[in-house]
Amino acid sequence: NAGVTQTPKFQVLKTGQSMTLQCAQDMNHEYMSWYRQDPGMGLRLIHYSVGAGITDQGEVPNGYNVSRSTTEDFPLRLLSAAPSQTSVYFCASSTVTLGVTEAFFGQGTRLTVV
Amino acid sequence: DAKTTQPPSMDCAEGRAANLPCNHSTISGNEYVYWYRQIHSQGPQYIIHGLKNNETNEMASLIITEDRKSSTLILPHATLRDTAVYYCIVRGTASKLTFGTGTRLQVTL
Repeated sequence: NAGVTQTPKFQVLKTGQSMTLQCAQDMNHEYMSWYRQDPGMGLRLIHYSVGAGITDQGEVPNGYNVSRSTTEDFPLRLLSAAPSQTSVYFCASSTVTLGVTEAFFGQGTRLTVV
Repeated sequence: DAKTTQPPSMDCAEGRAANLPCNHSTISGNEYVYWYRQIHSQGPQYIIHGLKNNETNEMASLIITEDRKSSTLILPHATLRDTAVYYCIVRGTASKLTFGTGTRLQVTL
């Protein structure tokens, strides 16, 4: 019963490098989201998806791309890493039943950009 | 989404009840109140939700005022493992939960 799986758990990048953070869920949820959390702060929404093939921007989308080709996977791409993108990244999947939302989060990817 | 206001931090002695307040005065009639917690920078964990009535599950109780402008999360017998940041969220869409800075609960011996 994996839930939401994020890889890698830790990553160090040099400024200007690109990389993809992976997120997979096995609960057949239609909704998936990416958040970032800076020290002492709450989570801020980067991008989200309401189903395969459908994505939209959240609060802080600049510098990130997403795609959703399958229900299970929602990768987050950093196009050209910057030190300001040093953060902890969380992926979530969620479902709505009778108007009630329940979200499940991965354990996070800790990214440092030097 | 309705804005929520929570105290930045609270302390609680182990074994005592922890009562975490949340104000959400602009909540709409069909919006739910959700509580999540985040233990030591792990991914947030769902605790409980409610609409109008008080709710209880194996983790906590949720008390919502009659006018729905505020609520209280109750951990009846707090333990050291309950030390975490607790987030009160008034429902956005399923894919856009909006997190504030939450309340940092410190449970002490």
